[in-house]
Amino acid sequence: DTAVSQTPKYLVTQMGNDKSIKCEQNLGHDTMYWYKQDSKKFLKIMFSYNNKELIINETVPNRFSPKSPDKAHLNLHINSLELGDSAVYFCASSPQTVKSYEQYFGPGTRLTVT
Amino acid sequence: KQEVTQIPAALSVPEGENLVLNCSFTDSAIYNLQWFRQDPGKGLTSLLLIQSSQREQTSGRLNASLDKSSGRSTLYIAASQPGDSATYLCAAMDTGRRALTFGSGTRLQVQP
Repeated sequence: DTAVSQTPKYLVTQMGNDKSIKCEQNLGHDTMYWYKQDSKKFLKIMFSYNNKELIINETVPNRFSPKSPDKAHLNLHINSLELGDSAVYFCASSPQTVKSYEQYFGPGTRLTVT
Repeated sequence: KQEVTQIPAALSVPEGENLVLNCSFTDSAIYNLQWFRQDPGKGLTSLLLIQSSQREQTSGRLNASLDKSSGRSTLYIAASQPGDSATYLCAAMDTGRRALTFGSGTRLQVQP
């Protein structure tokens, strides 16, 4: 009965590789997000999608490309990985109701680039 | 651009104490403010959400208040327990993009 799930939970890879992180939510929410938590534990928005449409695209290198095949999934693909990409990546979702845009977070994916 | 600050960065209290965590934000045009809990190596658990039109929200031993005009929110934890030990994050949602801007968190340790 997991609400927001991410795979993999841990990802260790070398510089220059391309990797993907998958996110799925079974809450029926319309909006999904990707956040990055750096080594200092600071969380920052990267992207958001509403019904498969890109809404927010922060100042993120274009090596990062989100893809939303349907409104329950938002995947993050990263090309040419760099050391500075090492972080924990969190997926989140929220309903699009007037009353609330409460965000629900996944467990995170710890990416380590060596 | 919204900036969210949390004070203190770390707090250690004996079990049973009541405590207050502080959060301030620079842009008062927020849609809501959320408080989260993060345990080491884990994801975020939503604790309380206060809409911009509300003054406070309560859940069990937790009470969060919001003063938009002064750009402040507080999280009050009553009768703290060792199980409350975690990092507490506040996040303000902007009215346009519906994205959260997070503070850097307060790391709480409750001593048994």
